[in-house]
Amino acid sequence: KAGVTQTPRYLIKTRGQQVTLSCSPISGHRSVSWYQQTPGQGLQFLFEYFSETQRNKGNFPGRFSGRQFSNSRSEMNVSTLELGDSALYLCASRDRAIDRRGTNEKLFFGSGTQLSVL
Amino acid sequence: DQQVKQNSPSLSVQEGRISILNCDYTNSMFDYFLWYKKYPAEGPTFLISISSIKDKNEDGRFTVFLNKSAKHLSLHIVPSQPGDSAVYFCAASAWVGGFKTIFGAGTRLFVKA
Repeated sequence: KAGVTQTPRYLIKTRGQQVTLSCSPISGHRSVSWYQQTPGQGLQFLFEYFSETQRNKGNFPGRFSGRQFSNSRSEMNVSTLELGDSALYLCASRDRAIDRRGTNEKLFFGSGTQLSVL
Repeated sequence: DQQVKQNSPSLSVQEGRISILNCDYTNSMFDYFLWYKKYPAEGPTFLISISSIKDKNEDGRFTVFLNKSAKHLSLHIVPSQPGDSAVYFCAASAWVGGFKTIFGAGTRLFVKA
């Protein structure tokens, strides 16, 4: 199976612009989560989608939004970019065919999109 | 409000010795804990996990210990190898109408040959 694919790999934007990042999960994975990684802050949880519905979200402003399509692919959008939005954005899909908790809750991550806001 | 804390930003260990990485969490809703390893320019990869009903889980050189009363977990790597040099993230997971997995800030491990 192909892994989690994120595009683009690198992005350079200026303040005030908006950006859309894309994520294709592993085939068969229906849950997609997004994280922001900045130095010293670790991975900050943005949101989780399952079957096109946002089920959970972290403490980010409304400028950060996302969606999931019927094929489980997901996009993340950041509007009115700020300098502090510069970070590595990671997408992860979950190995779960049935939506219930169990003994395997591991996430499979893509390589991320490195966003630089100038 | 950091719900998952890794208080050591970095750790340096000699090859062949034990590496111990620590993690604390604050919220009792977490009932599943995981460790991930990250190399530069790559996404994190799953290493080992433990359910809150257990206090220890082993996988080869890696062992995770959970102390629920102290809300503390640790990852032991024995023996440490230079290829283990990476950033290690602790994560805690809960079901809140959906999966919610919170990560710590990470600990950079250096294993010296």
